[in-house]
Amino acid sequence: DQQVKQNSPSLSVQEGRISILNCDYTNSMFDYFLWYKKYPAEGPTFLISISSIKDKNEDGRFTVFLNKSAKHLSLHIVPSQPGDSAVYFCAASGDNTGKLIFGQGTTLQVKP
Amino acid sequence: SAVISQKPSRDICQRGTSLTIQCQVDSQVTMMFWYRQQPGQSLTLIATANQGSEATYESGFVIDKFPISRPNLTFSTLTVSNMSPEDSSIYLCSVASGSFYEQYFGPGTRLTVT
Repeated sequence: DQQVKQNSPSLSVQEGRISILNCDYTNSMFDYFLWYKKYPAEGPTFLISISSIKDKNEDGRFTVFLNKSAKHLSLHIVPSQPGDSAVYFCAASGDNTGKLIFGQGTTLQVKP
Repeated sequence: SAVISQKPSRDICQRGTSLTIQCQVDSQVTMMFWYRQQPGQSLTLIATANQGSEATYESGFVIDKFPISRPNLTFSTLTVSNMSPEDSSIYLCSVASGSFYEQYFGPGTRLTVT
């Protein structure tokens, strides 16, 4: 049972355009959501997070939107840069243990 | 954020042997976790490493196979015991301090079992 799903394995966008990465979840008990970026041969890097009491959180070029009724969150990167090319994981938590449930990841390629 | 190192960065091991992976943090942290990323898969939590007590394992993971130590607030080890090719994965430690939701990951240990 996959509680966090990223249905797009890959995404390709042009430099300067917007990248939108999507994530769906099934567990209504999740109350905190995070996005991580991972380069090859490195550990995931924390990008941005959002609590379930909010519907939007912004940090520079990165914005995360949360739609609780649809159990859907998205990460917007504007403008996209070639250095953003990486695998992006969304993760969720909700049991106060710190346990994170990760999606399968989406590989983003930003073309110059 | 904390600086996290892992040793070894990679290893190739024979079936039936064991490997101990070390995770060192440059500051004291409240919580440490161990994850596994199998080829082409997402990250899966193995266990929470508790300082001074036994680790808390997730469903599907047992102490006999993945013994964990955490002697202090900056260091933990994960042992992969009696390895089989199915154990070939990237093993990652993560840490959290303050908000335990925002975890920071080490660079990972790439393990190949032949």
